[in-house]
Amino acid sequence: EADIYQTPRYLVIGTGKKITLECSQTMGHDKMYWYQQDPGMELHLIHYSYGVNSTEKGDLSSESTVSRIRTEHFPLTLESARPSHTSQYLCASRPFLDRGNTGELFFGEGSRLTVL
Amino acid sequence: LAKTTQPISMDSYEGQEVNITCSHNNIATNDYITWYQQFPSQGPRFIIQGYKTKVTNEVASLFIPADRKSSTLSLPRVSLSDTAVYYCLVGSYSGAGSYQLTFGKGTKLSVIP
Repeated sequence: EADIYQTPRYLVIGTGKKITLECSQTMGHDKMYWYQQDPGMELHLIHYSYGVNSTEKGDLSSESTVSRIRTEHFPLTLESARPSHTSQYLCASRPFLDRGNTGELFFGEGSRLTVL
Repeated sequence: LAKTTQPISMDSYEGQEVNITCSHNNIATNDYITWYQQFPSQGPRFIIQGYKTKVTNEVASLFIPADRKSSTLSLPRVSLSDTAVYYCLVGSYSGAGSYQLTFGKGTKLSVIP
């Protein structure tokens, strides 16, 4: 059982609202990731972090932002939600192993966001 | 930037062995290959990881040839519950030099009764 948690699981909001998707892990992992996935489609990496105060943008351009103030916490924020942000957002973490050895990515259950 | 390529979909009857091949021509010397399974509305779940030759665990085997430019996930005697999307994952460096974990399009496996 993975110790990585996402809240909320489901969220329906109106256009222009600010939202924060929470992700927390209790495994002490330095590396954390946010993926965006539409139904039936592939996962797109939108943000990742190597540790506290480290954040990077992924392959898919995203209007969201992230922060990493504590090792266990990696929230994702949308300042002004739009219908195009409707999607599932998956958070993941992994330990640091040898260079190139990615080990196991542990995923949360996801946050499904609907913007009206 | 290492990129993975897999068949978009596969069908198999229950009880058969299924082999899904992934190509990763630009894999770096140090990189491992990892496979994940994903059911609808869930996050991917780790299946197996390997660096070279053959790795086996309780659910699958992973075959990696000497040149490591491809890998094959083997699922023995599949059941209906194995219907899912399967991804192979290889890390890669972005243009800025950061090590990323970027998933490919995956293979949708449908198991038929």
